[in-house]
Order: sequence, then structure tokens, then C-alpha cells
Amino acid sequence: EAAVTQSPRNKVTVTGGNVTLSCRQTNSHNYMYWYRQDTGHGLRLIHYSYGAGNLQIGDVPDGYKATRTTQEDFFLLLELASPSQTSLYFCASSEGRGRGAETLYFGSGTRLTVL
Amino acid sequence: GEKVEQHESTLSVREGDSAVINCTYTDTASSYFPWYKQEAGKSLHFVIDIRSNVDRKQSQRLIVLLDKKAKRFSLHITATQPEDSAIYFCADMNYNQGKLIFGQGTKLSIKP
Repeated sequence: EAAVTQSPRNKVTVTGGNVTLSCRQTNSHNYMYWYRQDTGHGLRLIHYSYGAGNLQIGDVPDGYKATRTTQEDFFLLLELASPSQTSLYFCASSEGRGRGAETLYFGSGTRLTVL
Repeated sequence: GEKVEQHESTLSVREGDSAVINCTYTDTASSYFPWYKQEAGKSLHFVIDIRSNVDRKQSQRLIVLLDKKAKRFSLHITATQPEDSAIYFCADMNYNQGKLIFGQGTKLSIKP
């Protein structure tokens, strides 16, 4: 079973604050993703990466930066947090493309509240 | 951009009956369609998928149907059980873009 670990589990910050969400996967997966989950919107892709040093822009990237420092570690950065970024954030990883390789393995989520 | 619409935001069925969740997509190049389940307070996990080279796939009580002409796919859960209660997300992928696009989710409740 793939293991994806997110930290912190919960985070409260104030408007304008600086937040970093961390994600580590230990299954040598190539692809990593950051999604946000909001009621009525489902999961929306923020950023994703094909490998260390690679970054792809997702569908809702505004206000977010991301960095993939190693194959295992993918970070999501909110440099000037706003209340609209209050959400449940999920990190996920997958092996790549091809039969069975697209399956996403999700972390437990980080609940972020911006006051 | 690509959109995946999940038609039922909530669905309630009696235990033992079948549940059907419908999704439509817009990208004709989409070729991979997975479903994910999120139990209350937990993360998501994969349950079943279908690729565009087939129109039906079954795994135990789960059946996925794909209608490429209508750009529609559906998840059928037969003989529902209490543990089927969860939020179900459909998704699709265009391999040229290399990303999964999710629907809004359907909260399925199984009544005793």
C-alpha cells in the first residue's frame, strides 16, 4: 500500500500569513499532486509534478506556489494567505501512466483555516 | 478547460437496492475514468476505473459503464450495504494533459 504523509493535519493562520504544507511519499512514485476539496466543487487541482524539480500548473493555481525538492517531497506554499484559501488540502501520488499506474494514493489531508 | 459534472450531489437508497451515480465529461480526448470513495472524515481511495477501449467493467458489486458518444459514465453499486455510505468522486484524464479532473462528488447514504 502506497504511503503518503501530509503535515500538519490542521493549521490556523491569519490573513496575510505565510503557510507551508508538506507532503512526503515513500513509494518512489513519479507524480505528485496538490488538490483542495471544497463543498460543491469537489477536488480541484492546484499544482502537480512529474518528478524532482518539475512543476506543472493545475486548474486553480492563483495564490499558491509549489516546489518538488526530491522525488519524495512536495510542498505547497501560501505566501499571503487569504480566507478564500480556507479548505481541506490533499496531496496525492501516482506511479505514472499505463495500466494501474494512474491510481492516485492520497494523504490524510490538511485542514487549513485562514482567519 | 475540461469539466466533469457529477449529476447527483446526494443520493439515498435502501440497503440491498442498487445505487447509480452519473457523470458527464467534455473532453473528447479523455480516455481514462476512475472512481474514488471518501468515507466520513477520511481520505480518498480508488475503487474502480474504466478505459475508453471498453464500455463496461465489473468488480464484485461495482459496475462502471461508459458511453463515449454521450460522453457519459456511471457507477452502479449493486446490493448496497451500510459500508457503501460515502462520498463518491468520478474523474477523467486526457493523457496529453496528464492530470485527473474530478467531479463535485456524490454523497451516498444507505438507509436500513
